Amino acid sequence: KQEVTQIPAALSVPEGENLVLNCSFTDSAIYNLQWFRQDPGKGLTSLLLIQSSQREQTSGRLNASLDKSSGRSTLYIAASQPGDSATYLCAVVDPTDPNTGNQFYFGTGTSLTVIP
Amino acid sequence: NAGVTQTPKFQVLKTGQSMTLQCAQDMNHEYMSWYRQDPGMGLRLIHYSVGAGITDQGEVPNGYNVSRSTTEDFPLRLLSAAPSQTSVYFCASGRLNTEAFFGQGTRLTVV
Repeated sequence: KQEVTQIPAALSVPEGENLVLNCSFTDSAIYNLQWFRQDPGKGLTSLLLIQSSQREQTSGRLNASLDKSSGRSTLYIAASQPGDSATYLCAVVDPTDPNTGNQFYFGTGTSLTVIP
Repeated sequence: NAGVTQTPKFQVLKTGQSMTLQCAQDMNHEYMSWYRQDPGMGLRLIHYSVGAGITDQGEVPNGYNVSRSTTEDFPLRLLSAAPSQTSVYFCASGRLNTEAFFGQGTRLTVV
């Protein structure tokens, strides 16, 4: 069974700092990997999707990388802002069934606080 | 564009009661799924569907039933609620190998 780990569980940084969130998974045979953002009491918002054949994806100040061989992904946030404060979740989809669709294995998340 | 809509947002049930959590999407997505989120455990898959009339079990299906009679709707039924089912429930939809869209969640408390 795929297991997804996110370190650290919580992170606090001053505004303007660049930061990296880490995600590791035990089975390198993934279908894709997604990073999500969750605000308190809210649902999940997809930030970046990396296909198994890709090495990275970028959206604005966010850059996600994927290294399948080592079972790792990182989410880089440049020039952090207080509005970036949220929990960031990493999730992988296994290719064991072509119809897996959105069957995710989630990490427990990193709670980010950006201090003004 | 409403996206994924879940109702209700909050619910308190007594042990043994039944209820249905509603989920509807207006994006014509074939894939829909239900997750529960518990502190320290992340989100875990309960049931999923790859199209109307097709459902299957996820990691934690016991105590829950689902059906998918239309593309748009994917209700989750609790037949006899137990305190262990106290959780936040999320519905998601999407297409194969594309980004997933999540609802705002239903916070369920079973007393």
